[in-house]
Amino acid sequence: DGGITQSPKYLFRKEGQNVTLSCEQNLNHDAMYWYRQDPGQGLRLIYYSQIVNDFQKGDIAEGYSVSREKKESFPLTVTSAQKNPTAFYLCASSIAFMNTEAFFGQGTRLTVV
Amino acid sequence: AQSVTQLGSHVSVSEGALVLLRCNYSSSVPPYLFWYVQYPNQGLQLLLKYTSAATLVKGINGFEAEFKKSETSFHLTKPSAHMSDAAEYFCAVSGNTGRRALTFGSGTRLQVQP
Repeated sequence: DGGITQSPKYLFRKEGQNVTLSCEQNLNHDAMYWYRQDPGQGLRLIYYSQIVNDFQKGDIAEGYSVSREKKESFPLTVTSAQKNPTAFYLCASSIAFMNTEAFFGQGTRLTVV
Repeated sequence: AQSVTQLGSHVSVSEGALVLLRCNYSSSVPPYLFWYVQYPNQGLQLLLKYTSAATLVKGINGFEAEFKKSETSFHLTKPSAHMSDAAEYFCAVSGNTGRRALTFGSGTRLQVQP
């Protein structure tokens, strides 16, 4: 089945540690995205990638980093510089970066203690 | 810059009643508009999308939305609510120029009372 896989579903980390969230898609989509979801705030764009080997900052990129070395993979690293990392993280992809719907993974809930 | 505003963070209806979830958009160019649904601890699923064709868009699970340019609105409706419709709903906009990644509203949580 085609889709987007995020792993793990739940992640716990100690404060000050970097952590990497995995996102893999087998839809052959060019564009991929990372969103952060907090209660009452909707989804906020962290980073996006229009094509392999290219990525751009979204609205809340501080404290995060990404890479796009392969078309199907777009991992997100939450660094120790992110002041409030506990959140629900959603990865998405779309066939192109132009007015098409995005398809979402099941999310990773990160808790930093 | 494009944006969407969802009026009402919580909406409660009785089973069988009309569902109306409100979304207003702001965009300097004709927008593409989307409604998504999210069940607890899951990702988002596309309900329907407006892409400048018909102004009345039909989606999955009996939902539909009407694009009204004069009101800059894209409200989501369903004639008769079902218990399984209880979820959070997000309106999103994508512009034709500049930033094209989806911009989401803050969401509306729908409760369906028996």
